[in-house]
Amino acid sequence: QVQLVESGGGVVQPGESLRLSCAASGFTFSIYTMHWLRQAPGKGLEWVAVVSFGGSVEIYADSVKGRFIISRDNSKNTLHLQMNSLRAEDTAVYYCAREVDAFDHWGQGTLVTVSS
Amino acid sequence: QAGLTQPPSVSKGLRQTATLTCTGNSNNVGDQGVAWLQQHQGHPPKLLSYRNNNRPSGISERLSASRSGNTASLTISGLQPDDEADYYCSAWDSSLSAWVFGGGTKLTVL
Repeated sequence: QVQLVESGGGVVQPGESLRLSCAASGFTFSIYTMHWLRQAPGKGLEWVAVVSFGGSVEIYADSVKGRFIISRDNSKNTLHLQMNSLRAEDTAVYYCAREVDAFDHWGQGTLVTVSS
Repeated sequence: QAGLTQPPSVSKGLRQTATLTCTGNSNNVGDQGVAWLQQHQGHPPKLLSYRNNNRPSGISERLSASRSGNTASLTISGLQPDDEADYYCSAWDSSLSAWVFGGGTKLTVL
């Protein structure tokens, strides 16, 4: 059974950093492309970043480019999102998702609040 | 990044049929496959359909998806109370090199 469990969310001030993690189980993590997506309170879904199965290719949404870094540790079946220079508009529930043609499995999400 | 266009809300009666639309352009909907996701309040999204008209295992046959040009559609027949949710379309945009989403359609089952 595919499971994705996010952690690391919390409340931070503008300009600070936060690192999210996503623990994967129930499938061979190392052969799947993985994504981070987010959803601001009361808003729609927004794609954030993707990393290839081997970790060599990373692509980012314009809204986070240069501030966020997606990475993965295939030996630990874990996906990460390093978020720097956080802004109020980064406040959202952050989801990790597996890609098989589309986002076929999602975690429950972790809430990040950026507020002074 | 430019997104896909969905109507904000659709309302239909119990056991009726609802058709949700998603409009993009030739770089996303018209070129790449469209995925549809359902999200109930307080829960993560759930994949309903991918590459225009493929259903993951376990998804009801009451749901069918299609695409014509730059517009994709999701049709839900025999509406049930549990179909009341937010529905999002998504596609890879080859021009933006990014995944784009529609703003979501809130489906109300009367």
